[in-house]
Amino acid sequence: SYVLTQPPSVSVAPGQTARITCGGNNIGSKSVHWYQQKPGQAPVLVVYDDSDRPSGIPERFSGSNSGNTATLTISRVEAGDEADYYCQVWDSSSDHPYVFGTGTKVTVL
Amino acid sequence: EVQLVESGGGLVKPGGSLRLSCAASGFTFSSYSMNWVRQAPGKGLEWVSSISSSSSYIYYADSVKGRFTISRDNAKNSLYLQMNSLRAEDTAVYYCARVDRRYYYMDVWGKGTTVTVSS
Repeated sequence: SYVLTQPPSVSVAPGQTARITCGGNNIGSKSVHWYQQKPGQAPVLVVYDDSDRPSGIPERFSGSNSGNTATLTISRVEAGDEADYYCQVWDSSSDHPYVFGTGTKVTVL
Repeated sequence: EVQLVESGGGLVKPGGSLRLSCAASGFTFSSYSMNWVRQAPGKGLEWVSSISSSSSYIYYADSVKGRFTISRDNAKNSLYLQMNSLRAEDTAVYYCARVDRRYYYMDVWGKGTTVTVSS
C-alpha cells in the first residue's frame, strides 16, 4: 500500500518559516491534505487539495505538491502553531484508500 | 452547527467486544462517506475503516479486517463501529470523521472516544 513519510520533528523560531515535507511515490499526481493536531484535541484540516485553505485557517498556512514531495509551509510562525502535523492522501487504486503520513512535531523555540 | 459526537468507548478485556457510535448533526449525513480513524497513545493517526454514503462501499485497514465492522443508519444520522476480538494494540482514541465528496479529505472530526483493551 501507499506510504507517506514525514520528518519526525521540525523546530522553528517565532516569526520564522516552518516547512514540513511529506514524501510519497509520485505524490505530485495525488491530492494532498494536511491536518494540525494539538495535544488532547482532534485533528483540524489546515490545507486541502495541495494548497487550498478551509475557511478560518490563516493565510500563513500554505501548501505545495510536486514530484515525490508535498510541503506544508507555515509562515511567520507563532507559539500557537506548535502541534503535530499529518499529511493525507486518497489512493483510489487501493483497498486501503486513506493514507496518513507518519506525522511531524513542530516545536516553536 | 456541524457536529460529530462519538460514544461507546471504555475498558474491555482482550478478546472482548465493543460498539462505537458517532452521532452526526448539522449536515445531510446521508450525502457523505464517513471514516473511523484511531490514534494509539503517543502514536500517529491511523485510518481504520470507511463507508460510503449508501453503504455500498466499505473498506478496512488490514489491522482490523475480519474483526471490526463499520455500518451506518442514515435515518438516525449515525455511524457505528462494531469491534470484536479486541487486542491490546487496539487501545486508542477513536475518531469519526466526515469525508469530502470531491477530494476525500476529512473536514469534520468528532472529539473522539477512548478504547482501552487490558486485562
